[in-house]
Amino acid sequence: ILNVEQSPQSLHVQEGDSTNFTCSFPSSNFYALHWYRWETAKSPEALFVMTLNGDEKKKGRISATLNTKEGYSYLYIKGSQPEDSATYLCALDQTGANNLFFGTGTRLTVIP
Amino acid sequence: NAGVTQTPKFRILKIGQSMTLQCAQDMNHNYMYWYRQDPGMGLKLIYYSVGAGITDKGEVPNGYNVSRSTTEDFPLRLELAAPSQTSVYFCASSKRSTEKLFFGSGTQLSVL
Repeated sequence: ILNVEQSPQSLHVQEGDSTNFTCSFPSSNFYALHWYRWETAKSPEALFVMTLNGDEKKKGRISATLNTKEGYSYLYIKGSQPEDSATYLCALDQTGANNLFFGTGTRLTVIP
Repeated sequence: NAGVTQTPKFRILKIGQSMTLQCAQDMNHNYMYWYRQDPGMGLKLIYYSVGAGITDKGEVPNGYNVSRSTTEDFPLRLELAAPSQTSVYFCASSKRSTEKLFFGSGTQLSVL
């Protein structure tokens, strides 16, 4: 069983605060790391796909970094807004077939 | 483009019944996937396909079958429904390896 772990499980922040979450994964057999945003009653939507050690990606106020040697990725949200409230999932691809192993997610609630 | 279309959205089955969950995508994606989501658990991969005529088992394939006769369609078959198959099922697709997944809207299945 492959362990992709996310922390914290849930998080409440005030509007305007910046926050970050962690995704930990086995550092052996790495191919790609995905981040998805999942709003209640909707389907997961892709944020980033990262493949190289040291990769940094950014989309608006959201950014992510990747360390494949030590097996972790951080997701950062700058100046959180209520619409950022969602569950953030990371997922590991070890084979290149995109058959992803998902973590259980970090549930973010942004309080207005 | 409609993206990834799943039907039905909801279904209740009796133990031992069979059914097929339909999934179609109109983005000419080669890769397609079936995941299930159980409360408190991450998305678990059931089966995946990297192209028409090619399927492979994921993490939790027992009790399910798939086929991929066309690029567009990837149906998931439950032959003898069991209460353990009560879950939310998501179909997804991607163009190729290391590209983001596009998810369908999900099928909520209850086996009673």
